[in-house]
Order: sequence, then structure tokens, then C-alpha cells
Amino acid sequence: DQQVKQNSPSLSVQEGRISILNCDYTNSMFDYFLWYKKYPAEGPTFLISISSIKDKNEDGRFTVFLNKSAKHLSLHIVPSQPGDSAVYFCAASRNSGYALNFGKGTSLLVTP
Amino acid sequence: EAQVTQNPRYLITVTGKKLTVTCSQNMNHEYMSWYRQDPGLGLRQIYYSMNVEVTDKGDVPEGYKVSRKEKRNFPLILESPSPNQTSLYFCASGEPGQVNQPQHFGDGTRLSIL
Repeated sequence: DQQVKQNSPSLSVQEGRISILNCDYTNSMFDYFLWYKKYPAEGPTFLISISSIKDKNEDGRFTVFLNKSAKHLSLHIVPSQPGDSAVYFCAASRNSGYALNFGKGTSLLVTP
Repeated sequence: EAQVTQNPRYLITVTGKKLTVTCSQNMNHEYMSWYRQDPGLGLRQIYYSMNVEVTDKGDVPEGYKVSRKEKRNFPLILESPSPNQTSLYFCASGEPGQVNQPQHFGDGTRLSIL
């Protein structure tokens, strides 16, 4: 049973525009949410996280928004760059970090 | 440099021939974990370890074994591999419970079981 869902398998965005990647979860016990980025032939690398006590976290071009009532989070990348082209995984956990539950991933393509 | 190292990176083998995928981390992390990634399914946790000699099943543990005799190493053992274990495997380590201390992943091991 998939507890973390990324319903868009792929997304294409022009360079310089905003990329918005979405993620929904079903388990209300999740209290820590992360985004990982994955290039081919490499392992996932941590991008940004947010605790359930916050609704927004920013790190440079990346911002994660959390809507607990809707059980929804999103990753905004502004401005998007071609180097951002990768697969993005949303993950969630209970107890702030053990046993990550991953979504299926969204493949982002940023075109020049 | 903080690293999670997996070996081998690629392996093609046959059904029933025991194999071990090694994983080593140099960050003194207590928590280590194995995931498999399959098309359309994302990453699913196989086993995890909270500390030396403490291991537990994840979501898809069938057909796998692990051991944690030392803090830095967490090998994944396939005693009798089968074709349905053909997958991309990732080892990860971390210090969960600490905000901004996310899990670090190795670069993956692609296993093909014929």
C-alpha cells in the first residue's frame, strides 16, 4: 500500500521557469518529509526537508511547502536550470527520520 | 569525504548462487538500511539496522538476509537468488531523529539474476 504518492511520473519545464513537483501522503503519523534528487547511475542525494511543525522551508532555489490538513507537500524550484533535470523522490517518515517511505518519483526535464 | 560505498556496482549471476553485496559508511552512523528500486514502484525498504547487532525487516524482506557486526558495515545477503530479485539496490546510512541529518545513499548496485 503506497503511503506516499507522486502522481506525475514526469514533468517538463522551460529553463528559467518554476518547476512544481507534488506529493501526497496518507499516513497522518508522518512527521518528517524529504525530497531527494537522483541522477542516472547515482544514488539519491538529499535536497531539502521539512518537519511537520512547519509549513515552509527554503534553501536557495528550492522551497518545500507542507499542507498537513491536505496531506500534501510540494517542491518548488525557481528558477529551473537544465542541471535540475533528474528524478525527484518525495519521502516521509515517522519519528523524524527512521524508515523512509518513498514515492515512485517524478522525472523532471528542464529544457533550454 | 562522507561516503556510503557499495560493492559490486554491477553483477550478473544465476539463480541459486549465493551472493553478498557489501555496504560501508565512514560517517559513524548508527542507522543503516537497504532499499531496492524497481520501475513504477519507487524505493522500497528491505532491511534496516538501528545499531550493531540490531536489525529488522522493512517492507520487502523476503529472500534477503543482513548482518551488522560492525558499525560501518551492513552487507546484504541473497542466499538463493531468484529472477524476481533482479533490481537496483541502494544502501543508506544516517542518524535519524536529528533534523537536517538525512540519510546518505550509496551509488547503487544493479543485480541481474538469470
